[in-house]
Amino acid sequence: GENVEQHPSTLSVQEGDSAVIKCTYSDSASNYFPWYKQELGKGPQLIIDIRSNVGEKKDQRIAVTLNKTAKHFSLHITETQPEDSAVYFCAARSNFGNEKLTFGTGTRLTIIP
Amino acid sequence: DAGVIQSPRHEVTEMGQEVTLRCKPISGHNSLFWYRQTMMRGLELLIYFNNNVPIDDSGMPEDRFSAKMPNASFSTLKIQPSEPRDSAVYFCASSLRSVTDTQYFGPGTRLTVL
Repeated sequence: GENVEQHPSTLSVQEGDSAVIKCTYSDSASNYFPWYKQELGKGPQLIIDIRSNVGEKKDQRIAVTLNKTAKHFSLHITETQPEDSAVYFCAARSNFGNEKLTFGTGTRLTIIP
Repeated sequence: DAGVIQSPRHEVTEMGQEVTLRCKPISGHNSLFWYRQTMMRGLELLIYFNNNVPIDDSGMPEDRFSAKMPNASFSTLKIQPSEPRDSAVYFCASSLRSVTDTQYFGPGTRLTVL
């Protein structure tokens, strides 16, 4: 089955700096890669996703890049703000066979004011 | 529009007791998912339903766990008997049509089994 690894497990950045979280996946048939943000006491919320027919997608301060050859994808947050502090999860899903989402282990991002 | 609703938000019980977690998906959504989140294992899919029918329950840990979806607006996850290792946060999520659509998560139920 799919295996998703996520790094780093914790990340602290100064407010205004950029943050990058990286994930690798094992199943070459995976073609959908969402990122979720989980705030304290809440469920994960989708913030951005990318499908395998594109290499990069942006939404304001958030961007995701995908390298299918290397089987890795990354989340980039620019101009970080205190409200970006949360746990971020990457996930991967194949449209063949087992279609369920496999999540990474999460990155706790702390923005230092 | 209300999101996914879960109850209770917190549950503390003693080993051996039956626990029932409840979920109301977003109205109009046809797929429902139960996840478990722990520090050790992260976020794991336990079971998902499509049009009230269980499609994949391969993530259900053992026979002590059961899930039902009697109608489109309600699902339960039951643990009987509960054990301390079941302590976790249980999330319910729903999506519009199928497993390939965006999943919207509820706030979770924090279960503690003493």
